[in-house]
Amino acid sequence: DGGITQSPKYLFRKEGQNVTLSCEQNLNHDAMYWYRQDPGQGLRLIYYSQIVNDFQKGDIAEGYSVSREKKESFPLTVTSAQKNPTAFYLCASSMGRRFTEAFFGQGTRLTVV
Amino acid sequence: SQELEQSPQSLIVQEGKNLTINCTSSKTLYGLYWYKQKYGEGLIFLMMLQKGGEEKSHEKITAKLDEKKQQSSLHITASQPSHAGIYLCGARMPSYSGAGSYQLTFGKGTKLSVIP
Repeated sequence: DGGITQSPKYLFRKEGQNVTLSCEQNLNHDAMYWYRQDPGQGLRLIYYSQIVNDFQKGDIAEGYSVSREKKESFPLTVTSAQKNPTAFYLCASSMGRRFTEAFFGQGTRLTVV
Repeated sequence: SQELEQSPQSLIVQEGKNLTINCTSSKTLYGLYWYKQKYGEGLIFLMMLQKGGEEKSHEKITAKLDEKKQQSSLHITASQPSHAGIYLCGARMPSYSGAGSYQLTFGKGTKLSVIP
């Protein structure tokens, strides 16, 4: 079955450590996105990528980094520079240039202690 | 940043009542999505609209995009407890990175509670 998979579902890290969240899709989608969700804040765009080896900053990119070495994968690293990393992170993918449904993963809840 | 304004922020309705959620942008929307989310889970796709004046329905949910493509509404008829959740509108907007490049921007969501 085609879909988009995020792992792990729950993640705990100590303050000051970098952590990488995984996002994989087998839908052959060109575009992939990372969002952060906090209570009452909706979804805020962190980074997005329209094509392999290219990505752009979203509205809240500071303290985060991404890579897009393969079409299927768009990992997000939460660095120690992110001042408030505890949040729910969602990954999405879409066809990109064509207006089609955007598919979402089930999310990763990151807690930094 | 490009923003979508959703209203109301939260809504509590009695089962069986109708309700409407609105999504407004100051800029032309090149594509509008409606999603539903259960707390702590991923987003469930409901509908997408692209053309001005377009209207789509699925079961008891109807979504419309106005002629100017700056406002959309989601209407639920005869609400049920299964409709409870967070409703999010998302828009496909041109990004600043180059021609033909788009980003997906979302509103803050509307939390719907349905009282049996």
